[in-house]
Amino acid sequence: EPEVTQTPSHQVTQMGQEVILRCVPISNHLYFYWYRQILGQKVEFLVSFYNNEISEKSEIFDDQFSVERPDGSNFTLKIRSTKLEDSAMYFCASSEATVRETQYFGPGTRLLVL
Amino acid sequence: QKEVEQNSGPLSVPEGAIASLNCTYSDRGSQSFFWYRQYSGKSPELIMFIYSNGDKEDGRFTAQLNKASQYVSLLIRDSQPSDSATYLCAFSGGGADGLTFGKGTHLIIQP
Repeated sequence: EPEVTQTPSHQVTQMGQEVILRCVPISNHLYFYWYRQILGQKVEFLVSFYNNEISEKSEIFDDQFSVERPDGSNFTLKIRSTKLEDSAMYFCASSEATVRETQYFGPGTRLLVL
Repeated sequence: QKEVEQNSGPLSVPEGAIASLNCTYSDRGSQSFFWYRQYSGKSPELIMFIYSNGDKEDGRFTAQLNKASQYVSLLIRDSQPSDSATYLCAFSGGGADGLTFGKGTHLIIQP
């Protein structure tokens, strides 16, 4: 069964450093998403991406964040200058379409900013 | 602001009994409703989705949607210890791509 994959599974970084989180969505899916979950809190939407551009972003997704689809398979989230409060699980998800379609989540990347 | 309300629990149910999980949402423009299961430290795993008012059954799981009351529920029949997890209610629609999640209900199935 096809699944969303994410790398790395864990990342530790120093405050102020740049990190890139990588995702390979399910191959025939057209919409891609990033979510984050701070420990003990709810899953929060960051951004959606369709047709090589951002479709929607939340208030959390400020200028420190960017997304890119550098090739036909990868989808990345970059945090330019990490803050302590960026420590969280970051989940990538994909869906065949939007709104009514089910989003399938990857296993996540646990980011720890020291 | 879109909100999803869930009782955080823990909800403790004996093995073999029916577990009932509830969720209310604020956005009347919501179109699609999802139940995800999340084990500790893991990613959300889809259990059920429902779009129309009424009941939808899939194996031991039944989702119920009442759009007039802005209420969605999940019933788990013949509960098993492996069902012990946090259950997340989420919705999409109203012009938004992203899912809005509740905080989740922590379910414990007692052997």
